[in-house]
Amino acid sequence: AQRVTQPEKLLSVFKGAPVELKCNYSYSGSPELFWYVQYSRQRLQLLLRHISRESIKGFTADLNKGETSFHLKKPFAQEEDSAMYYCALIQGAQKLVFGQGTRLTINP
Amino acid sequence: DAGVTQSPTHLIKTRGQQVTLRCSPKSGHDTVSWYQQALGQGPQFIFQYYEEEERQRGNFPDRFSGHQFPNYSSELNVNALLLGDSALYLCASSFGGGPTGELFFGEGSRLTVL
Repeated sequence: AQRVTQPEKLLSVFKGAPVELKCNYSYSGSPELFWYVQYSRQRLQLLLRHISRESIKGFTADLNKGETSFHLKKPFAQEEDSAMYYCALIQGAQKLVFGQGTRLTINP
Repeated sequence: DAGVTQSPTHLIKTRGQQVTLRCSPKSGHDTVSWYQQALGQGPQFIFQYYEEEERQRGNFPDRFSGHQFPNYSSELNVNALLLGDSALYLCASSFGGGPTGELFFGEGSRLTVL
């Protein structure tokens, strides 16, 4: 079965430090992966997708098929990065399979 | 653009009752998906509606049903409520019914079953 695993429920780093949020997946075929983010008092929104290979708000994520991972990285964390992050893969027409999420806290 | 709007925002029901949740998609969108998010968990896919038909369904019992109207708005109905149905129900919209993966979410309807 397709599954997304985010091993860390909570992650706390200091401002200016590098950030890495882990995501592993199981999927038969070529996966399409995404990172969604939910800031405090805001709705869930798309942060980035692996197909576009772009950097959003300084975040990047590389799909590693060998390790079945799609970790989200940022070299220098900022306080406004504090949020809930969800890794997801798409299955079928529009079904997104989400991980449990990682709450990222950036300490000043 | 108001984005995806959901109603009600909060509601309390008792076991065995029925509930209807409503969703209006973002302007220009024609596809609506529903997700259930239990406390501390990621959203779980319930089903998707496109062209007024259920196109894809997750692992949810038949107690969960839906509808899409000609104006693309949608309803989620849950019958014979169980305590375990307590959750945040999220509506998400997109365009074209295809696998873009870019969904626009509403703020959700928080259902408490007593």
